[in-house]
Amino acid sequence: DGGITQSPKYLFRKEGQNVTLSCEQNLNHDAMYWYRQDPGQGLRLIYYSQIVNDFQKGDIAEGYSVSREKKESFPLTVTSAQKNPTAFYLCASSTGRRAYEQYFGPGTRLTVT
Amino acid sequence: AQKVTQAQTEISVVEKEDVTLDCVYETRDTTYYLFWYKQPPSGELVFLIRRNSFDEQNEISGRYSWNFQKSTSSFNFTITASQVVDSAVYFCALDEEDGNKLVFGAGTILRVKS
Repeated sequence: DGGITQSPKYLFRKEGQNVTLSCEQNLNHDAMYWYRQDPGQGLRLIYYSQIVNDFQKGDIAEGYSVSREKKESFPLTVTSAQKNPTAFYLCASSTGRRAYEQYFGPGTRLTVT
Repeated sequence: AQKVTQAQTEISVVEKEDVTLDCVYETRDTTYYLFWYKQPPSGELVFLIRRNSFDEQNEISGRYSWNFQKSTSSFNFTITASQVVDSAVYFCALDEEDGNKLVFGAGTILRVKS
């Protein structure tokens, strides 16, 4: 059945290491998004992509990088430059047209020590 | 700039009580869309409703209802006869003027006790 998968559910890394979070969708959606969620702050947009091979920075892109080589996949790399990487990361997709709801994956909880 | 305010950080109710979650938004757009999402403890956000700015009719879906008032820039969400399974974080969101992304409120934690 269709949906968005994120793996792994929990991820632990040492400070200074880059880490890549996976996001795959089989909904045939054009647009994909990465959000960061911290307690009490709601969701903040990191990066988004409206089409393959193109992506834009969101509100908090510093210390993160993405790629969009395939329509189905939108991996997020948390680099060592991200000062406070421990958070819950959510991936979403939509048809890309305005007003259409975003579908969310189950999220990855990243802990960096 | 677009902004969504959910002033209620946390609400606790007893099962079967009615509860209203507030959402106030700011936008310069004349055409815009508002959303509500539910985030249960599992973490995945679940879409509840979408409303466009030209449709001010209230909507009811089972125990859920939404009240959209452009005059006060509010889009409030009411759960009637709450249940423990309604316990979650609820987010209100507004689409950006360029239509490419959503602006989320900070969320309201709803705890329903049995």
